[in-house]
Amino acid sequence: NAGVTQTPKFRVLKTGQSMTLLCAQDMNHEYMYWYRQDPGMGLRLIHYSVGEGTTAKGEVPDGYNVSRLKKQNFLLGLESAAPSQTSVYFCASSLINEQFFGPGTRLTVL
Amino acid sequence: AQSVTQLDSHVSVSEGTPVLLRCNYSSSYSPSLFWYVQHPNKGLQLLLKYTSAATLVKGINGFEAEFKKSETSFHLTKPSAHMSDAAEYFCVVYKGGSQGNLIFGKGTKLSVKP
Repeated sequence: NAGVTQTPKFRVLKTGQSMTLLCAQDMNHEYMYWYRQDPGMGLRLIHYSVGEGTTAKGEVPDGYNVSRLKKQNFLLGLESAAPSQTSVYFCASSLINEQFFGPGTRLTVL
Repeated sequence: AQSVTQLDSHVSVSEGTPVLLRCNYSSSYSPSLFWYVQHPNKGLQLLLKYTSAATLVKGINGFEAEFKKSETSFHLTKPSAHMSDAAEYFCVVYKGGSQGNLIFGKGTKLSVKP
């Protein structure tokens, strides 16, 4: 089992560029999540999904979109990147309340 | 509303001495609580979880935490620190309602001196 994987591991963008972060899990979990981690802030929930074809907003959704076309994949999109979106992004999946995390994507927006 | 407060942003101990990382929670009902650990440049790993069974919860790598309802606390302890314990630790409460949502504390960075 690979668990939760994230692609890419690192990325540098210029302001206004777009990109998509991919999260994949092989544990057949229904629930998937995208978080961002900033120094001194802990993890904050961006969007989440309770099943294939469903998504919902979390605490800090502005500037991000998500899609869950397949149960095992959860995509996070930035349509027009801003320097405030420089962060480490973590994906997680769960059956009930215990979440399993991916290794993270470090994104820098110049 | 649920919330969690980690009382120390940074704790420094010497190898072989006890570790205490403090966490207080606020919840309108009996909560589910977790401690996660994050080693440098890594993802988060579950250390232990409390889900209303035994109040003393044992986790991996010798860590344990005690749920104290009267004090609304869920402090993480380890009798003897090891160099490999140096990491950031997050206390987390299960929000409930919207399925699976967790609320994270801001983290405590543990340093271990030789």
